[in-house]
Amino acid sequence: AQSVSQHNHHVILSEAASLELGCNYSYGGTVNLFWYVQYPGQHLQLLLKYFSGDPLVKGIKGFEAEFIKSKFSFNLRKPSVQWSDTAEYFCAVKEGGANNLFFGTGTRLTVIP
Amino acid sequence: SAVISQKPSRDICQRGTSLTIQCQVDSQVTMMFWYRQQPGQSLTLIATANQGSEATYESGFVIDKFPISRPNLTFSTLTVSNMSPEDSSIYLCSVDKGSEKLFFGSGTQLSVL
Repeated sequence: AQSVSQHNHHVILSEAASLELGCNYSYGGTVNLFWYVQYPGQHLQLLLKYFSGDPLVKGIKGFEAEFIKSKFSFNLRKPSVQWSDTAEYFCAVKEGGANNLFFGTGTRLTVIP
Repeated sequence: SAVISQKPSRDICQRGTSLTIQCQVDSQVTMMFWYRQQPGQSLTLIATANQGSEATYESGFVIDKFPISRPNLTFSTLTVSNMSPEDSSIYLCSVDKGSEKLFFGSGTQLSVL
């Protein structure tokens, strides 16, 4: 079965600091990759996704993620975080053609003003 | 986009009882998904519910424990049957609106005493 690892459980940053959240997955075949975000008191929502093509994917609110196939990784980055980025971030992976979306355990980001 | 209403938002239940969670979508969707998020763990897919057919359950989940209804293209229910404290979790409804983008409900926080 697919497994998705998010090694950072809780990250605390000051505003304007750079962010990188790690995500690794186990499946060796074709994958679709996602980052979801859940702001306090809100629903999970899609931040960005990768299906094919340019491995550097840009999402909403200045976030980007890079798919590195050789490392089975899809790390999320943002050059300068804001207080409003405080949220829980979930990496998710889907095997090509399957319905099941496998989620990581999530990383809580706290940005200090 | 999709607006998903999930009820109840939270409940506290006694061991051995059952709870039915409702999920209403503001537009017609083919595929609806039910996820569970246990404390400190990933979101895990319970089943996929398509209108007009039996739900498809993931490994570790069975229909007797989690019966699902999908009477039309905008509504689904998940029942957690014969509950035990191990069923304490957040249960999430989600829908696929195409382009592999999932929309999530706000979740049902279930506590079983």
